[in-house]
Amino acid sequence: KQEVTQIPAALSVPEGENLVLNCSFTDSAIYNLQWFRQDPGKGLTSLLLIQSSQREQTSGRLNASLDKSSGRSTLYIAASQPGDSATYLCAAKYNFNKFYFGSGTKLNVKP
Amino acid sequence: GEEVAQTPKHLVRGEGQKAKLYCAPIKGHSYVFWYQQVLKNEFKFLISFQNENVFDETGMPKERFSAKCLPNSPCSLEIQATKLEDSAVYFCASSQFQTGIDGPDTQYFGPGTRLTVL
Repeated sequence: KQEVTQIPAALSVPEGENLVLNCSFTDSAIYNLQWFRQDPGKGLTSLLLIQSSQREQTSGRLNASLDKSSGRSTLYIAASQPGDSATYLCAAKYNFNKFYFGSGTKLNVKP
Repeated sequence: GEEVAQTPKHLVRGEGQKAKLYCAPIKGHSYVFWYQQVLKNEFKFLISFQNENVFDETGMPKERFSAKCLPNSPCSLEIQATKLEDSAVYFCASSQFQTGIDGPDTQYFGPGTRLTVL
């Protein structure tokens, strides 16, 4: 059974700090892994998509890594800002386009 | 359009009533997905479509839930005889390509429809 876990469930950091969010998945036969951001009461915003053949993807201050053999992905946020406060979700995709979501990490960046 | 559109934004139904949710995928996207988000961030996959054909319906509670994607119409998710546990935010997503076949399969999500069953 495919399961996705995110640690920590919540994180509070001062502005400017670099931080890492963790995502682990039980079945390493993934097609890809996608990181999303969800603001309160809003939908999901896609941040980064890593294909199974890739090891990392970067966009601005965000860097996502993927290690299939260990079943882990990390999202690194550099120089965090209050506007980064949101819930971050990782989702692993297996067959038939179906996502398995983690339960999310709620990030609070304090000014 | 360039965004996935979902209507209505909020829907309130009495237990046992019918609920119908709509989704307009991004123009040119062939794949549509429905997810149910309950209890904080617990996302559950319901069903996916490739154009008007059901692609994967393994997540659908078939006795009360149904979905359609007809040509030239928004996709719909219908719940007959709603129950209290159906209260959730229902998200629609679309993608242009299929996983691992012919291009990036990034899913773009709509803003969701919040269903409250009283």
